[in-house]
Amino acid sequence: EAGVAQSPRYKIIEKRQSVAFWCNPISGHATLYWYQQILGQGPKLLIQFQNNGVVDDSQLPKDRFSAERLKGVDSTLKIQPAKLEDSAVYLCASSRGDFAEAFFGQGTRLTVV
Amino acid sequence: TQLLEQSPQFLSIQEGENLTVYCNSSSVFSSLQWYRQEPGEGPVLLVTVVTGGEVKKLKRLTFQFGDARKDSSLHITAAQPGDTGLYLCAGTMIAGGTSYGKLTFGQGTILTVHP
Repeated sequence: EAGVAQSPRYKIIEKRQSVAFWCNPISGHATLYWYQQILGQGPKLLIQFQNNGVVDDSQLPKDRFSAERLKGVDSTLKIQPAKLEDSAVYLCASSRGDFAEAFFGQGTRLTVV
Repeated sequence: TQLLEQSPQFLSIQEGENLTVYCNSSSVFSSLQWYRQEPGEGPVLLVTVVTGGEVKKLKRLTFQFGDARKDSSLHITAAQPGDTGLYLCAGTMIAGGTSYGKLTFGQGTILTVHP
């Protein structure tokens, strides 16, 4: 079975610019997660979708971050405007259900300069 | 405040040594997962433990879930350089105000095994 696909793999932008990341989860997986991972640290949950509804976005900086999951499949995460502290790896993961095992994509490494 | 506390944060050992990584919380989890992550890659699931007191073995790796489902440990016997990586524990608990599970990670343990 194909894994979680993310693009782009790398992105370098200047502060105050906008950027978008894309995720295609494993087919049939209802739950989709976006995590932010600072180098050498554990992933921090930004937003969790169940199908196309939001389950948890308590740690999403909503003044600059937004995410959507149209039709309950693919998802995009957007940052506008970006700050230097947004430099991190953004990981997408999916699972069959919210209590099932999560499978991760390779992530998008964002550098804000 | 970190919901899941991992210790140690860094571990540097010689090939052949044994080691244990701990994952502790004051919260009860429905399940707990251990992941291994290599540079430039996403975390890869090693094991899921669900029942309090459960012990699972994966070759040289032994995973244990605490009786109260608040803590877990990962023990590696005779570590090898290929075991080098970031080890993450992650717990599933009910997201506030919903009936959905939420997967929360510890801060990770960076393991380096020297030949």
